[in-house]
Amino acid sequence: GEDVEQSLFLSVREGDSSVINCTYTDSSSTYLYWYKQEPGAGLQLLTYIFSNMDMKQDQRLTVLLNKKDKHLSLRIADTQTGDSAIYFCAESIPPGAGSYQLTFGKGTKLSVIP
Amino acid sequence: EPEVTQTPSHQVTQMGQEVILRCVPISNHLYFYWYRQILGQKVEFLVSFYNNEISEKSEIFDDQFSVERPDGSNFTLKIRSTKLEDSAMYFCAGGDRGNYGYTFGSGTRLTVV
Repeated sequence: GEDVEQSLFLSVREGDSSVINCTYTDSSSTYLYWYKQEPGAGLQLLTYIFSNMDMKQDQRLTVLLNKKDKHLSLRIADTQTGDSAIYFCAESIPPGAGSYQLTFGKGTKLSVIP
Repeated sequence: EPEVTQTPSHQVTQMGQEVILRCVPISNHLYFYWYRQILGQKVEFLVSFYNNEISEKSEIFDDQFSVERPDGSNFTLKIRSTKLEDSAMYFCAGGDRGNYGYTFGSGTRLTVV
């Protein structure tokens, strides 16, 4: 079945770049997503990438997709203390009856050291 | 920015009791979902709902679970007879086109004692 794996923790200094990695197993994934969860809050969609793309950039965020290795990464440039959160990688399974079911990783807890 | 609202934020219930978790999706959304996250584990898909019926459900979503959209605005998840292992954070989500990612609520933490 589908599986998404992430490392559980990452610690970086403020101002450095953070790179959060994810591997997935389902080669039929159509979209891959990064969600952010701050303490006590819900899952906030940060960005997504379609499976026929290699890279997507959105301000400080860069998503890289290596479809051959089924590897997805999220790079946060100039990491700030406000970026401290749990980051979830997710893949969407092609729709059954029109809905897109997401498979999530366990989440990477990013800690930013001032 | 429109939000998905979930109530209550935390519910404690006794084993065997029925609970109803409530969600108010964003008004123009067409697809609705429930996910759950047991502490320390992955966020897991429970069920999707479209056009007033369940479109997909996972193995977790057994006969103890049901969903409803009774009045066109609220979207509820009912657990008929709660078990200790139902303790988790339950997230409601909605989307207008699910393939572009959907909007999640902030979750209801359910504790079964």
